[in-house]
Amino acid sequence: GIQVEQSPPDLILQEGANSTLRCNFSDSVNNLQWFHQNPWGQLINLFYIPSGTKQNGRLSATTVATERYSLLYISSSQTTDSGVYFCAAGGTSYGKLTFGQGTILTVHP
Amino acid sequence: GAGVSQSPSNKVTEKGKDVELRCDPISGHTALYWYRQSLGQGLEFLIYFQGNSAPDKSGLPSDRFSAERTGGSVSTLTIQRTQQEDSAVYLCASSLRWSPLHFGNGTRLTVT
Repeated sequence: GIQVEQSPPDLILQEGANSTLRCNFSDSVNNLQWFHQNPWGQLINLFYIPSGTKQNGRLSATTVATERYSLLYISSSQTTDSGVYFCAAGGTSYGKLTFGQGTILTVHP
Repeated sequence: GAGVSQSPSNKVTEKGKDVELRCDPISGHTALYWYRQSLGQGLEFLIYFQGNSAPDKSGLPSDRFSAERTGGSVSTLTIQRTQQEDSAVYLCASSLRWSPLHFGNGTRLTVT
């Protein structure tokens, strides 16, 4: 099955800083999603982005499917951005999504 | 309801007992997923439903685990003869095909 690797595993920022999170996947994908898990454990879908670039406020994501990676950009970070960011990938047939191990982001005021 | 609903939110059970976890997906969502998250870990895939069928149940850890979905809606995950290693948060998600997954708040299972 698809292998998903995320980097860095941990990231500590001061409020207002920018950051880039990376997700590498081992095979062709038709399904690529980013999630944020807040400190209370809720998982929120940020982007459905099997290819191309999307933006939502201070967050944007880019997936380069041919090179098997996706990037999540966070600009002007806020303390509420803290939590774990997960990337999940699925193959060319619809079905199982495999999650990476996540990036733990801590934003200090 | 507006989102994915899971019940109970917390379950404490004794080793060896059976438990049932329930998931109510977003209305109209054809795909339903179960994942498990152990403390401080990532999400482990358990099973995926499309309608009432389970094309991929490859993540179920043992034959003590089973799941069903009825009416293309509610799903139940059953764990028989629970063991301490089954303690985790069990997460359910639903989606339309080729669309974002929406997660419930999970059921925290503790086996004593």
